[in-house]
Amino acid sequence: DTGVSQDPRHKITKRGQNVTFRCDPISEHNRLYWYRQTLGQGPEFLTYFQNEAQLEKSRLLSDRFSAERPKGSFSTLEIQRTEQGDSAMYLCASSTGGHETQYFGPGTRLLVL
Amino acid sequence: AQTVTQSQPEMSVQEAETVTLSCTYDTSESDYYLFWYKQPPSRQMILVIRQEAYKQQNATENRFSVNFQKAAKSFSLKISDSQLGDAAMYFCAYSVAGYALNFGKGTSLLVTP
Repeated sequence: DTGVSQDPRHKITKRGQNVTFRCDPISEHNRLYWYRQTLGQGPEFLTYFQNEAQLEKSRLLSDRFSAERPKGSFSTLEIQRTEQGDSAMYLCASSTGGHETQYFGPGTRLLVL
Repeated sequence: AQTVTQSQPEMSVQEAETVTLSCTYDTSESDYYLFWYKQPPSRQMILVIRQEAYKQQNATENRFSVNFQKAAKSFSLKISDSQLGDAAMYFCAYSVAGYALNFGKGTSLLVTP
């Protein structure tokens, strides 16, 4: 199996712009998670999908954030009207479900100027 | 609130020696899983070891073992025969009912020759 992949690996944008990140999970993993990690902190949960259904969203996921997993395979995370506080590493993870181990991708590092 | 506390921001160990990283957590749930993840500099997070809360026996994976004290809500990681490649951020985490991982702030481990 190839691992979880994320694209792009780095993104620099200006405040107010929209950005979209993509995550490709390990094939046949039906659960997909998004986390955000700021400098010196552990990852914080944003949202997760079971196949194409978005089952849980953190209060951290403001209205400017939206995530999709249209066919139950890859997922996208869009941030609209970016703010400097959105600068962080965005991590994607996938698992076969339930209590199974989550495998992480390399992350997308976002810098909002 | 459900939290994970890693009280050691930084630890140092000499090559071939043993080091223990501490972690305490707080949850009122009875069904949960505990994890230690390793995040090397600029590299993706990988699982080191996991422990099912219903199991009394401490998990081991080669040089890595845990001391799980359920009543005390403590979950420490012991690394034996430390190697230079063990240098990384180590995150303690738990998940309840197969949902998102809740991470601590991490412990930076330095391994000296």
